[in-house]
Parts: sequence; C-alpha cells; structure tokens
Amino acid sequence: DGGITQSPKYLFRKEGQNVTLSCEQNLNHDAMYWYRQDPGQGLRLIYYSQIVNDFQKGDIAEGYSVSREKKESFPLTVTSAQKNPTAFYLCASSIGTGRANYGYTFGSGTRLTVV
Amino acid sequence: KQEVTQIPAALSVPEGENLVLNCSFTDSAIYNLQWFRQDPGKGLTSLLLIQSSQREQTSGRLNASLDKSSGRSTLYIAASQPGDSATYLCAYISSGSARQLTFGSGTQLTVLP
Repeated sequence: DGGITQSPKYLFRKEGQNVTLSCEQNLNHDAMYWYRQDPGQGLRLIYYSQIVNDFQKGDIAEGYSVSREKKESFPLTVTSAQKNPTAFYLCASSIGTGRANYGYTFGSGTRLTVV
Repeated sequence: KQEVTQIPAALSVPEGENLVLNCSFTDSAIYNLQWFRQDPGKGLTSLLLIQSSQREQTSGRLNASLDKSSGRSTLYIAASQPGDSATYLCAYISSGSARQLTFGSGTQLTVLP
C-alpha cells in the first residue's frame, strides 16, 4: 500500500543535541511538507519542498533544517537552536501542483520530547 | 493573515444522531478544501477532498459541502457511531503557487454509546 512512513514514533532529545526525523513516501508525490502540532495551537508549517533539491521555509523554520536529495525522502533536523522543540511533528506529501485533485496525505507523526 | 474557524470547538452527542461540523475561512482564493480526522496521538487521515470546481463530496456516512462565495464548508456525519469520536480538522489549500494548507483548530467530537 502506498503511504508516508515517519520514524521514529517517539524521540527524546537532550539539551544541545541535534536530532533528525525521517519521512519517506512511496506515493510518487512531488511535494513534501513538515508541520509541527502543539496542543491548542493547530498545525504550523515548518518547511516544504515542491521538487527534489529545492525547499522553502514555512512559518516557523527557525531552528530547523531539511534536505530533499531524493523524491521519496524529506528528513527534518531539529537543531540545538530550536529552543522549544517538544511537539508532535507531522510529515505530509501531495501530488504535483498542477493537478486538480490536489490534496494532502499525512504520516502517523513523531513525538519529540526534550529530556 | 488568512484564518480558518471551526465551530463548535467540542461536541458531544448520543450514538445515532446526525450532526454538522462547521468551517469558515477568510481567503476567497482557495484551490481545494480538505477534511481530516485525527485520533489522539495519531496522524491525520484524509476524509474528503473538495475541489474548487465542486460543491460537495460524499463518502459513506460523510458529506462535505463547499461554498466559496460565503467562505464556508460543512461536514455532515449521518448516524454517528462511537468510532467516529475524534478531532475533525478543516483545511483549505491556497491558490498560490505553493499550494499551502491552512488549518482550523478542529472540532473534538465525542459520540456516546
């Protein structure tokens, strides 16, 4: 079955440590996205990529970095510069922007906790 | 800043009731609108996608409508079941080149057996 796989499901980060969240899709989608979800605040866009080797900052990109070396993969690194990283992180993908049936597919999420 | 408002924020109904969840948005230039379901601690599951040229979509007991001129969408759930208990999120996809998704804060639905 096609879908988005996020790993790990739970991740613990020590102060000053960088961690990387994995996102892989086998839907042959062009665009991929990272969202952060905090209680009572809804989803906020961190980074997005519409094509391989290109990505753009979202609304809350500070303290995060991404890469898009392959169409299937869009890893997110939470750096030590992100002062409040504890949150639920969701990866999403969508078909090419020129399609009328443009909709999003989401992964099952990674819960990151600072210890 | 464009916004999406979902009313009510929480809803509790007895099993078997028909119910309507409301979503309003301020951006008139939307591309598509999507309804999602989120169970506690889980990712988002797409329920219905309404393309800009459509007025409604149906899937099983779910029916979603879209009125771009008034900036409103509704999700109708027929014959609700306890398994429908979840948070329902409305999101529109912008007409800009990035096709970004803007979310409402959700309606938390509880269906009592």
